[in-house]
Amino acid sequence: DAGVTQSPTHLIKTRGQHVTLRCSPISGHKSVSWYQQVLGQGPQFIFQYYEKEERGRGNFPDRFSARQFPNYSSELNVNALLLGDSALYLCASSLWARLALNTGELFFGEGSRLTVL
Amino acid sequence: GENVEQHPSTLSVQEGDSAVIKCTYSDSASNYFPWYKQELGKRPQLIIDIRSNVGEKKDQRIAVTLNKTAKHFSLHITETQPEDSAVYFCAAYKGNDMRFGAGTRLTVKP
Repeated sequence: DAGVTQSPTHLIKTRGQHVTLRCSPISGHKSVSWYQQVLGQGPQFIFQYYEKEERGRGNFPDRFSARQFPNYSSELNVNALLLGDSALYLCASSLWARLALNTGELFFGEGSRLTVL
Repeated sequence: GENVEQHPSTLSVQEGDSAVIKCTYSDSASNYFPWYKQELGKRPQLIIDIRSNVGEKKDQRIAVTLNKTAKHFSLHITETQPEDSAVYFCAAYKGNDMRFGAGTRLTVKP
């Protein structure tokens, strides 16, 4: 069974450009979350989507947006790229929207490494 | 919002020794505390987790303890091996928001 898959794995953009990152969750998982991991730091929560609806948003500017499709795959879009957006963008999937008291865990993809020049 | 602090930032141990990593959290409503291991260039992988209705959990050489009153939790690795070398992240979860610590770089010297 395939895990969480992300594309592209690496990409280079210049300041001011736009980027779209894609994620396919584990089969059967309905929740997708996006995280930004700057080098040397822990992942930071950007968005969570469940059943195509936004269920959570971290402290990121409006340049960041996302959506989830009927097949539960997801896209993360970042507009007007800044140098500080350079990071590893991780997608994680889970079966449910919330990691309930006795079940559930997050499964991460390998990430998309974005470099902004 | 939730704030997770993790210590130490780096830890070096001799093979066979134990390693302990500690985290504190601020939001008493957090109810799920996973630990992830991340090797260079790889995805974070869950190694153990604990929920707020449990005080301790063990899986072979790895154990996690949770003190809800003090709002801290710890990862214990016994009989460390060189392949345990990686960055370890703790996290605290509430609702649909997972907050991570800054990570601990563990080096196990043969």
